[in-house]
Amino acid sequence: EPEVTQTPSHQVTQMGQEVILRCVPISNHLYFYWYRQILGQKVEFLVSFYNNEISEKSEIFDDQFSVERPDGSNFTLKIRSTKLEDSAMYFCASSAQGALGEQFFGPGTRLTVL
Amino acid sequence: GDSVTQMEGPVTLSEEAFLTINCTYTATGYPSLFWYVQYPGEGLQLLLKATKADDKGSNKGFEATYRKETTSFHLEKGSVQVSDSAVYFCALSAGMDTGRRALTFGSGTRLQVQP
Repeated sequence: EPEVTQTPSHQVTQMGQEVILRCVPISNHLYFYWYRQILGQKVEFLVSFYNNEISEKSEIFDDQFSVERPDGSNFTLKIRSTKLEDSAMYFCASSAQGALGEQFFGPGTRLTVL
Repeated sequence: GDSVTQMEGPVTLSEEAFLTINCTYTATGYPSLFWYVQYPGEGLQLLLKATKADDKGSNKGFEATYRKETTSFHLEKGSVQVSDSAVYFCALSAGMDTGRRALTFGSGTRLQVQP
């Protein structure tokens, strides 16, 4: 069964460093998403991406964040200068359709900022 | 803005017990409602969904009915198994008429089923 994959599973970085989280969505999906979950808190939407551009983003997704689909398979989230409060589990998701399409989630990348 | 409220966990049940996890929502318009499940070490998996009022979503013995009058989408299962132990998330999306796809999640409810 096709699945969304994410790498790495755990990333440790120093405050102020740049990190890139990688995702491989399901191959025929057109919509891509990033969510995050700070320990003990809700899963929060960050951004959605369609047709090579951001289609929706939350207040969390400020200038420190960027997304890219550098080739036909990968979808990346870059945090330019990490802060302690960026420590969280980051989930990638993809869907074949728009609003009613099921979003398939990856296993997540745990980001720890020291 | 949109929000989802779930009952606090953990919920601890014996095998074959009846399960209810409460979920209420606040949204404008006509949201779609979802239950996602997260097993240890895995991503979120869609368990069931309902896209309009009075729809009942069901899967693997779990059910939830979209109640617009009470703005609720409670998850139920008649007889839980140890393998149902997981974290359950209620979520909504704003709905097809808005074009918005972002999911708004509740805080999650951990279910522990004891043999």
